[in-house]
Amino acid sequence: DAKTTQPNSMESNEEEPVHLPCNHSTISGTDYIHWYRQLPSQGPEYVIHGLTSNVNNRMASLAIAEDRKSSTLILHRATLRDAAVYYCILRGPYSGGGADGLTFGKGTHLIIQP
Amino acid sequence: DAEITQSPRHKITETGRQVTLACHQTWNHNNMFWYRQDLGHGLRLIHYSYGVQDTNKGEVSDGYSVSRSNTEDLPLTLESAASSQTSVYFCASSDGRVNTEAFFGQGTRLTVV
Repeated sequence: DAKTTQPNSMESNEEEPVHLPCNHSTISGTDYIHWYRQLPSQGPEYVIHGLTSNVNNRMASLAIAEDRKSSTLILHRATLRDAAVYYCILRGPYSGGGADGLTFGKGTHLIIQP
Repeated sequence: DAEITQSPRHKITETGRQVTLACHQTWNHNNMFWYRQDLGHGLRLIHYSYGVQDTNKGEVSDGYSVSRSNTEDLPLTLESAASSQTSVYFCASSDGRVNTEAFFGQGTRLTVV
């Protein structure tokens, strides 16, 4: 299975940009990079995904390294509501372990200071 | 709007009782999943289904069962509840394509006393 590595926790100040890194050195050419987040006492929610090119949506941006062995989730202006655990997940036809490739690691606990 | 809902949101049961947690989705997704989440373990897959009459075991399936009689529902049954099954349970669904998002329910907090 393709694995991801994320820092256990990160801290940022409100209204500042946040860059959440993810390493995935064993990614295959068909794996999509997905990010989910889990707010306190809620189920995980989708944030963004990409394959090779950088992606933007209303929630965040995803910057993917040219060799695709790492990626960065960018929250442009963090708010207190962005405090959550962020999960970087690889999903591909051969992600292994069945279950549609939705295998969660420990994620990064993002703390936002007012 | 399409959604995925779990019920109940909270439940307390006694050791040895059979318990069923409900999951209902209106996305018309073929794939549905059950996870449990405990401190220090993150989300762990219990069972999953790729369609009607299909069920598969996940990482931590012992003591749990699921059935898929229609597209919308994947109930999770604890055959004989144990204190080790005290956890928060999440249901999810997806259309099976790796370039689309999956949707999660709000969770069921189960306490076995």
